[in-house]
Amino acid sequence: AQSVAQPEDQVNVAEGNPLTVKCTYSVSGNPYLFWYVQYPNRGLQFLLKYITGDNLVKGSYGFEAEFNKSQTSFHLKKPSALVSDSALYFCAVRDNWGSGTYKYIFGTGTRLKVLA
Amino acid sequence: SAVISQKPSRDICQRGTSLTIQCQVDSQVTMMFWYRQQPGQSLTLIATANQGSEATYESGFVIDKFPISRPNLTFSTLTVSNMSPEDSSIYLCSVEFRGEGETQYFGPGTRLLVL
Repeated sequence: AQSVAQPEDQVNVAEGNPLTVKCTYSVSGNPYLFWYVQYPNRGLQFLLKYITGDNLVKGSYGFEAEFNKSQTSFHLKKPSALVSDSALYFCAVRDNWGSGTYKYIFGTGTRLKVLA
Repeated sequence: SAVISQKPSRDICQRGTSLTIQCQVDSQVTMMFWYRQQPGQSLTLIATANQGSEATYESGFVIDKFPISRPNLTFSTLTVSNMSPEDSSIYLCSVEFRGEGETQYFGPGTRLLVL
C-alpha cells in the first residue's frame, strides 16, 4: 500500500527566511505526489504536483517542491517565507489500484508558523 | 477557474437525525470523493462517488450510515444518518475535473456539530 509521512507536526520559521516542509513517501510504482495548503476554517487548496518530468516542480504562491527518488522525498520549499504562509500543509500520494481506480492518501499534516 | 460549492457550510444537529450535504460543481468532473476531517487533523476518505453506480466505501464506512448519491457529472450528496456526537466533523467533497486528471480540488467543507 502507498503511504506518505510528514515527520514534523509543526515548523517555525522567521519571515523572510527559507522554509522547508518535509514529506517522504512509499509507493510500489511511479509516484503521483501532491501538496495542499489549508488556511483556518477553509477547504484545502492545491499547491503543486509531481507526476513525471523535471524533479523541481513550481506551484502557487511561490512554493516549489523537489522530487527525490533515491530519498523517496517530496519536500515543499519556499525561498522567502511570509507571515501569510502560516497554515496547515498536507502531502498526498495517489494510490493507483489499476483498472482506472485509485484514491488519494494524505499525510498527517504539518503546521507552518511564520514569525514576524 | 471552476467553483466547487457545498451546502450547508455548517450545521448543528440533534443526535438521531440525518443531514444531507450537497456538493455542486460548475463544470463536469470525472471523479468525486467525500472526506471527513477533524479540525487540524488529516483527512479520512469516506467514499468515492461514482456517477451512475454505487459509491465505493473505505473500510470503516458503510452505505447505511453514509449513503451517497451522484446523479450526474456535476453533483453529489452525502447523508450522515442517525447521527451521534462522534459524527461531529468537517466533511469535504473533492473532484477531479474532466480534461485535467490527476489533480484533486476541494470544496470549502461542511462543519457539522452533533449534540
